Amino acid sequence: NAGVTQTPKFQVLKTGQSMTLQCAQDMNHNSMYWYRQDPGMGLRLIYYSASEGTTDKGEVPNGYNVSRLNKREFSLRLESAAPSQTSVYFCASSDYRGDTEAFFGQGTRLTVV
Amino acid sequence: GNSVTQMEGPVTLSEEAFLTINCTYTATGYPSLFWYVQYPGEGLQLLLKATKADDKGSNKGFEATYRKETTSFHLEKGSVQVSDSAVYFCALKTGFQKLVFGTGTRLLVSP
Repeated sequence: NAGVTQTPKFQVLKTGQSMTLQCAQDMNHNSMYWYRQDPGMGLRLIYYSASEGTTDKGEVPNGYNVSRLNKREFSLRLESAAPSQTSVYFCASSDYRGDTEAFFGQGTRLTVV
Repeated sequence: GNSVTQMEGPVTLSEEAFLTINCTYTATGYPSLFWYVQYPGEGLQLLLKATKADDKGSNKGFEATYRKETTSFHLEKGSVQVSDSAVYFCALKTGFQKLVFGTGTRLLVSP
């Protein structure tokens, strides 16, 4: 049972380059999330998708776009990377019910130079 | 809106000491409450949860009780080990709303 799979695990970008972080879950969950975690800080929500075809901005959406390609996949795109986007990115998924927990991927460590 | 407040860290303890990490929340409706743990270099994983008032979640010697009257969900462990060193996140979820996390509390346990 793979759970939530993120690719890549590590990435180094130059300022201005673009890239897409991929996330897929095999638990038939409705909701998916993208978070970023900076050193010494908690999680900050970038975007949230309550169900296939819907996306909502979180706390820190600027500089990012997302696509909920289907129920399984939720990608995060950086159109023009900036050093301030150096962070660890986590994807998560959960069932829509209020009593169910979220499952997290292992993270993507992104460095923008 | 919904929010979670956790105590500032780091919390530094010696092995076998008693642990409490405070968590309080503000929510509309009747939230479910969660504690997640993040070990170094890893993603978050669920530690325990409680879905209604007075429920006690427990796992790996950790416990937390859902206290509606004080809007709290404090994490406790009677005797911590070095292997418990990690970052702990309190979180809540209501109905069809998204998960809301606290800022996390780092626990450091020394031998």
